[in-house]
Amino acid sequence: QMQLVQSGAEVKKTGSSVKVSCKASGSTFTYRYLHWVRQAPGQALEWMGWITPFNGNTNYAQKFQDRVTITRDRSMSTAYMELSSLRSEDTAIYYCASEALGRGDMDVWGQGTTVTVSS
Amino acid sequence: EIVLTQSPGTLSLSPGERATLSCRASQSVGSSYLAWYQQKAGQAPRLLIYGASSRATGIPDRFTGSGSGTDFTLTISRLEPEDFALYYCQQYRYSPYTFGQGTKLEIK
Repeated sequence: QMQLVQSGAEVKKTGSSVKVSCKASGSTFTYRYLHWVRQAPGQALEWMGWITPFNGNTNYAQKFQDRVTITRDRSMSTAYMELSSLRSEDTAIYYCASEALGRGDMDVWGQGTTVTVSS
Repeated sequence: EIVLTQSPGTLSLSPGERATLSCRASQSVGSSYLAWYQQKAGQAPRLLIYGASSRATGIPDRFTGSGSGTDFTLTISRLEPEDFALYYCQQYRYSPYTFGQGTKLEIK
């Protein structure tokens, strides 16, 4: 069974960038799409984008298209989500989640990384 | 972008009762591209149902998903104390993969 372990909490200044990591273990990382989903305090889940670890293809939500970059290091079984030009509204818990092979739903989730943005 | 509207926003029931949660899509997402997740306070979401009606691994059979097209339902037949949580539906038919705003299931 795959497990996803994310990097620790971050506190960032407005206008800066944050890079969150998500390390996979226990199963094949390469062929399962890896999604990033965020949740602002008291708010619903919000999908940001995915990456295919096999070839690095990405798909981003239009809302984040200009500010988010999702990458991966296959040798480390790790994916990364970098969000730039941070504003206070980006304060949220950021989750990585692995898509079930051939299905599309997200059956394995990381523990979440809290990102706090302040001036 | 497909908008998912969940109702009710909050559902107050007692253990042992039956819960019915609704998720309506702004356009058809077919019969296979709808998932339900449970989220407890301070935890990551957990997959309950995929493909509108298939239970994920380890999910008790009191959880049942149904529906197709634009109208979907999650039914919990007999509520257990651990079922009181937030529930989200999600469509993955079209990008962006959108979530509903959630239904809070609370103890009456």
